Amino acid sequence: DTGVSQDPRHKITKRGQNVTFRCDPISEHNRLYWYRQTLGQGPEFLTYFQNEAQLEKSRLLSDRFSAERPKGSFSTLEIQRTEQGDSAMYLCASSSVTLGYEQYFGPGTRLTVT
Amino acid sequence: GQQVMQIPQYQHVQEGEDFTTYCNSSTTLSNIQWYKQRPGGHPVFLIQLVKSGEVKKQKRLTFQFGEAKKNSSLHITATQTTDVGTYFCALRVGSSNTGKLIFGQGTTLQVKP
Repeated sequence: DTGVSQDPRHKITKRGQNVTFRCDPISEHNRLYWYRQTLGQGPEFLTYFQNEAQLEKSRLLSDRFSAERPKGSFSTLEIQRTEQGDSAMYLCASSSVTLGYEQYFGPGTRLTVT
Repeated sequence: GQQVMQIPQYQHVQEGEDFTTYCNSSTTLSNIQWYKQRPGGHPVFLIQLVKSGEVKKQKRLTFQFGEAKKNSSLHITATQTTDVGTYFCALRVGSSNTGKLIFGQGTTLQVKP
């Protein structure tokens, strides 16, 4: 399977714990995006990378959230001191600046904070 | 910032009936993309529209971009149970060919067999 993959698919954590999610984009894609989706809503942009550079971070993203893409391939999204309001589906997508404008989404990581 | 609004939020149809979802903006849009998300799945790209008055067809799906580029629609002719899911319009933002997406709230389609 050469699509976007995410790990883990599900994560249950207690309030106050730190969690980290991983995204592996399509190999030739240089742009990687993180979105958050809650029930009944469209995906909400969090941040994106071109290669290893983080080009934009949503103003809605608190300082508890950090993302990295150290070698321009996979990316990690860390949430520190989780809160119940962080419960959501975290979606990763990738695209290529040269190949096209469509974004390819991964299956997502569903986070539940208890 | 720019926003796109979708109506209706939900639509229940009998199999074989037509379905339309609308995407509206108060400002002129440079482009609009449409995605489909099946229940329990992730968004899948359907199409991008960029030209005023543009109409594109994919089998039973017809996509339109308004003349003023402030609205778009997706019309499905003779729905089938495989059409079930949530349809999102999204605005691609940024100067390059690829940029972040701003999604509408989506229209969830249920099809009764």
